[in-house]
Amino acid sequence: QQQVKQSPQSLIVQKGGISIINCAYENTAFDYFPWYQQFPGKGPALLIAIRPDVSEKKEGRFTISFNKSAKQFSLHIMDSQPGDSATYFCAASATNAGNMLTFGGGTRLMVKP
Amino acid sequence: AAGVIQSPRHLIKEKRETATLKCYPIPRHDTVYWYQQGPGQDPQFLISFYEKMQSDKGSIPDRFSAQQFSDYHSELNMSSLELGDSALYFCASSFRQGRGTDTQYFGPGTRLTVL
Repeated sequence: QQQVKQSPQSLIVQKGGISIINCAYENTAFDYFPWYQQFPGKGPALLIAIRPDVSEKKEGRFTISFNKSAKQFSLHIMDSQPGDSATYFCAASATNAGNMLTFGGGTRLMVKP
Repeated sequence: AAGVIQSPRHLIKEKRETATLKCYPIPRHDTVYWYQQGPGQDPQFLISFYEKMQSDKGSIPDRFSAQQFSDYHSELNMSSLELGDSALYFCASSFRQGRGTDTQYFGPGTRLTVL
């Protein structure tokens, strides 16, 4: 059973547009929710992360929205650029369960010029 | 800033051979995690170490073992390799030191191909 479900699997956005990726989780013990960006053949790079005590976090063009009651969180990429084209993974971990990351299935984003 | 170092970057082995993957965490990081990523899949947690002791185990086959050494580097040993072991193997490191949730930084990965 996939503990973190991510959608969509792929996304095409025009340059300057907003990219939105959604994730939902089952395990209420999760207390840390990072987003990673991965380019082909490279390691995941941390983009931004949030903890459940806040509903939104913004860093530059990247914003996480978090809805604890719905057990959902999303990544918004504002003013999307062709260089943002990559695979994005949401993830979750629980402090009382070893902190290992459980990843969503990934979203392949393509930003068209 | 120093990042996580993994070696080798690429490895080709035959079925039933053994392989050793190495991970050098970011300086002063005390925790290492190993993940396996199959083609087109998300990374899956294998095993972790905190302060040189095994911390947690995930979906790691019995054919695999790992350890963390006194200098905090870690090695993943894989024996009786199977075709299905072909994947990207990532190491991530973090600074936990009893603080609870830690931020994990990933290395560039080792691409293992089993022929």
